[in-house]
Amino acid sequence: GEDVEQSLFLSVREGDSSVINCTYTDSSSTYLYWYKQEPGAGLQLLTYIFSNMDMKQDQRLTVLLNKKDKHLSLRIADTQTGDSAIYFCAESRTLSGNTPLVFGKGTRLSVIA
Amino acid sequence: DGGITQSPKYLFRKEGQNVTLSCEQNLNHDAMYWYRQDPGQGLRLIYYSQIVNDFQKGDIAEGYSVSREKKESFPLTVTSAQKNPTAFYLCASSGQGDQPQHFGDGTRLSIL
Repeated sequence: GEDVEQSLFLSVREGDSSVINCTYTDSSSTYLYWYKQEPGAGLQLLTYIFSNMDMKQDQRLTVLLNKKDKHLSLRIADTQTGDSAIYFCAESRTLSGNTPLVFGKGTRLSVIA
Repeated sequence: DGGITQSPKYLFRKEGQNVTLSCEQNLNHDAMYWYRQDPGQGLRLIYYSQIVNDFQKGDIAEGYSVSREKKESFPLTVTSAQKNPTAFYLCASSGQGDQPQHFGDGTRLSIL
């Protein structure tokens, strides 16, 4: 299929780790992105990974890429209530850049205090 | 500060009326995009422009029109032909090569 797939909901306790998963479709995808959307706001770029990398870490965020299985995950360590939001996975399917991204439907993360 | 500005934040449309959503960026980005977001849905592409005076239809272009007369500006018109315009509209831009897309804060359009 053409879709980027994500589970719709995730609930975690404050202080635990959150893992948000995504499967994408195009093995030639160049970059894969994670965006965060808070209520009533636009999308905030969290991090992105080039397709020839396996892992990228940025403070509390760890991105893992399994290119063989076309699986991407975002791990948030020490999850806080401020992390409650919708998280979108997106893929860039061209090498030339400046082309639209393909987005998943988003995973709503709820953090329980 | 550099960024993308969408206005207005809220917009109401009467039956049979065209409305225009503004998107301006001062990031010197070549490409600009319009997406529509419905509750529980991902983002669907309406139109995009890779360069001034050129634009391409996205997946759901029917009932919408755009122009790209200046690099900084990419306004979206929701025409009366769009029968279900109530949604959250997001504008984005990106620079050369593999630079990621950056988003504005969105415009919420409702029907009166």
